[in-house]
Amino acid sequence: AQKVTQAQTEISVVEKEDVTLDCVYETRDTTYYLFWYKQPPSGELVFLIRRNSFDEQNEISGRYSWNFQKSTSSFNFTITASQVVDSAVYFCALKGRTGNQFYFGTGTSLTVIP
Amino acid sequence: KAGVTQTPRYLIKTRGQQVTLSCSPISGHRSVSWYQQTPGQGLQFLFEYFSETQRNKGNFPGRFSGRQFSNSRSEMNVSTLELGDSALYLCASSLGPAGADTGELFFGEGSRLTVL
Repeated sequence: AQKVTQAQTEISVVEKEDVTLDCVYETRDTTYYLFWYKQPPSGELVFLIRRNSFDEQNEISGRYSWNFQKSTSSFNFTITASQVVDSAVYFCALKGRTGNQFYFGTGTSLTVIP
Repeated sequence: KAGVTQTPRYLIKTRGQQVTLSCSPISGHRSVSWYQQTPGQGLQFLFEYFSETQRNKGNFPGRFSGRQFSNSRSEMNVSTLELGDSALYLCASSLGPAGADTGELFFGEGSRLTVL
């Protein structure tokens, strides 16, 4: 079975603080894909990153970084020096080897306080 | 490049009615997926279409149905609406067929359905 767990329901930080959003996944597939999406109040999910199961290299994109660890089945997302515009709901998602069905976590609502 | 377009954005229905939602994918995208988002259940997969064929279906009752047209536009229909069907219905498109598509989904802004 495919499952994604985002244990943090809501997080509040003060602007310029760093924040890490946790994501733990379960899958029996040896090949799979992990994603992070951002959902602002408008409702549209915005793609942030995709990671293949065979590529554990961490990635940094500006203030965003992702830490993928197969040993702990985790794919955590860190925002450095948070800004008010980062306030949104963030979803971690898993796609298996076959099919195009995404399994989403329940999301983490991030509020950045100015 | 235009994004995924969903219509209508908001609608209100009463129990027992039926509703049809429309989705136009990004030009060139042939796969369209539908998700239901509710505060209690989060994002749940409804179904996916590719080349007018339903490729995959989530765990929803038969009241939920969909179809895809030759131009890749998709519609989903919910019949005999229930209060619990109130949700944000999100459509997403991607390039390739199921199984070969390792890319991301591109989402529309959703259709917010309220059932009274």
